[in-house]
Amino acid sequence: DAGVTQSPTHLIKTRGQQVTLRCSPKSGHDTVSWYQQALGQGPQFIFQYYEEEERQRGNFPDRFSGHQFPNYSSELNVNALLLGDSALYLCASSLQTYEQYFGPGTRLTVT
Amino acid sequence: LAKTTQPISMDSYEGQEVNITCSHNNIATNDYITWYQQFPSQGPRFIIQGYKTKVTNEVASLFIPADRKSSTLSLPRVSLSDTAVYYCLVGDDSNYQLIWGAGTKLIIKP
Repeated sequence: DAGVTQSPTHLIKTRGQQVTLRCSPKSGHDTVSWYQQALGQGPQFIFQYYEEEERQRGNFPDRFSGHQFPNYSSELNVNALLLGDSALYLCASSLQTYEQYFGPGTRLTVT
Repeated sequence: LAKTTQPISMDSYEGQEVNITCSHNNIATNDYITWYQQFPSQGPRFIIQGYKTKVTNEVASLFIPADRKSSTLSLPRVSLSDTAVYYCLVGDDSNYQLIWGAGTKLIIKP
């Protein structure tokens, strides 16, 4: 049984560009959450998707958007990249419980 | 939203029991307490969750006093592989994921 998978593993982008990160949840999970984690900091909640809709959102600008597909997989899109967007982006899946299963993350570097 | 306060770092030795305390003075009636472990360059991993008194699983115990204003994660007989950052989260299903602190960096020495 595959756990949460994320792609790509690493990504380098230039300021102003756009990026799409992908996440496949653990089998049987229907809820996907995205987090941004800067070096040495705890994860910062971006948003959560359930039944293909954004259910909760953290304090992130509209440049951050997402999508959930009928198979529960999800994408995180970031537009107009800033240097400060460089971070580890984590995807977590769950069955509407507190026990989230995290993927290995995507390391985004903006130059 | 209930904020949590944890020590920034802790040291211990292999074979010892380690207790990490989290303060959450503003915990609400519906809030649960959840602990995660994170190794470098990996996503966090769920350790344990509780509401009151004591919860135990195969890797840890969670002690919650009656007033629920704090909680203690107990790791029995730690090994070098327990070196990681440990996060305490408090909330109900609608908001618990909104606040992750910086966690406690636990370093286990031989």
